[in-house]
Amino acid sequence: AQKVTQAQTEISVVEKEDVTLDCVYETRDTTYYLFWYKQPPSGELVFLIRRNSFDEQNEISGRYSWNFQKSTSSFNFTITASQVVDSAVYFCALSEPNYTDKLIFGTGTRLQVFP
Amino acid sequence: DTGVSQDPRHKITKRGQNVTFRCDPISEHNRLYWYRQTLGQGPEFLTYFQNEAQLEKSRLLSDRFSAERPKGSFSTLEIQRTEQGDSAMYLCASSLPGTGVTGELFFGEGSRLTVL
Repeated sequence: AQKVTQAQTEISVVEKEDVTLDCVYETRDTTYYLFWYKQPPSGELVFLIRRNSFDEQNEISGRYSWNFQKSTSSFNFTITASQVVDSAVYFCALSEPNYTDKLIFGTGTRLQVFP
Repeated sequence: DTGVSQDPRHKITKRGQNVTFRCDPISEHNRLYWYRQTLGQGPEFLTYFQNEAQLEKSRLLSDRFSAERPKGSFSTLEIQRTEQGDSAMYLCASSLPGTGVTGELFFGEGSRLTVL
């Protein structure tokens, strides 16, 4: 069955620290997409990144970077030099277009960045 | 503002009452999704539409839940005979044609339901 596990419930860091949010997924398909969404206190989920199962290249976008490793079924998210504005709940999600057109979310990791 | 809008943002009701939520997607998006999020959990898929057709429903969507998108634009989610377990945030999202399967969803701020 499809499943996304975010073992870290809450992480607290001080501004300018680097932080990595872990995501482990389970799927029976060879074609799938992985995502990260950010949910600030306002509640609106904001899309951060999409990665398909055939592209294992790591990606960097400003202070954000993502490490996709199929061998360990992981898709980890690193924020470099964290800022207070990064405080939010971050969700990892899995989509399997061959079977269904929906996202399966993990339980999220609450990140608190203190000044 | 051209984002996804949801109404009402917060609804408090007594057990047994019916409630209806409305979602207005981004205007050119033909796919519309409903998710439910309870405290401390990630969003759970409920159902989605492509234009006016409801293409998939989760088993979470009991007989008391019904969703419509009559003209392929806005959507409504109705919960009949509400129960305390229905208390949650109901999230709506939309996507462009061809991007739905890749999950680039644009979410609204949600409608929070509290059932007393």
